[in-house]
Amino acid sequence: DAGVTQSPTHLIKTRGQHVTLRCSPISGHKSVSWYQQVLGQGPQFIFQYYEKEERGRGNFPDRFSARQFPNYSSELNVNALLLGDSALYLCASSWATGNTEAFFGQGTRLTVV
Amino acid sequence: GNSVTQMEGPVTLSEEAFLTINCTYTATGYPSLFWYVQYPGEGLQLLLKATKADDKGSNKGFEATYRKETTSFHLEKGSVQVSDSAVYFCALDSSGAGSYQLTFGKGTKLSVIP
Repeated sequence: DAGVTQSPTHLIKTRGQHVTLRCSPISGHKSVSWYQQVLGQGPQFIFQYYEKEERGRGNFPDRFSARQFPNYSSELNVNALLLGDSALYLCASSWATGNTEAFFGQGTRLTVV
Repeated sequence: GNSVTQMEGPVTLSEEAFLTINCTYTATGYPSLFWYVQYPGEGLQLLLKATKADDKGSNKGFEATYRKETTSFHLEKGSVQVSDSAVYFCALDSSGAGSYQLTFGKGTKLSVIP
């Protein structure tokens, strides 16, 4: 079975641009969460979606948005990129919400120049 | 708010040495506690978890016990191997039913030398 897949793996953008990151969960998983991992730090929670509805949002500005599609894949969008948005963006999927194991993808490395 | 504090790294050990990575937390309610491992160039993998006080999580020779009285979840392994070299993250989930939102510590890099 394929794990959580994220695309692209690496991305370079210029300040002020917009970026879309994509995530395909493990087959059968209905919950997707997004995390930002700045170099040398632990991941920080951005969003969680379950059954196409937002179930949680972390302390991130409105420039960050996400959505989940009927096939449970998800997109994370970031507008007006700042240098500080440079990070590894991780997607995690789980079968449901609550106390179920989350499986992480390998992440998308975003560099803003 | 919720927070997780891990011992500062990096930690360098010789093969077969005993490992302890300290983790303490602050949270409301009764969180679930986790240890994740991140190998170079890879995503996070769940190493072990505990969902209530006095539970012991264990996997691949690693152990951690949920200590509510000391709000701790220290990771231990009796004999480390070179293949254990990675970054280890302690995390908690206190968001309750209906969500799965992890709060992570900053991570502890472990290097095991032959």
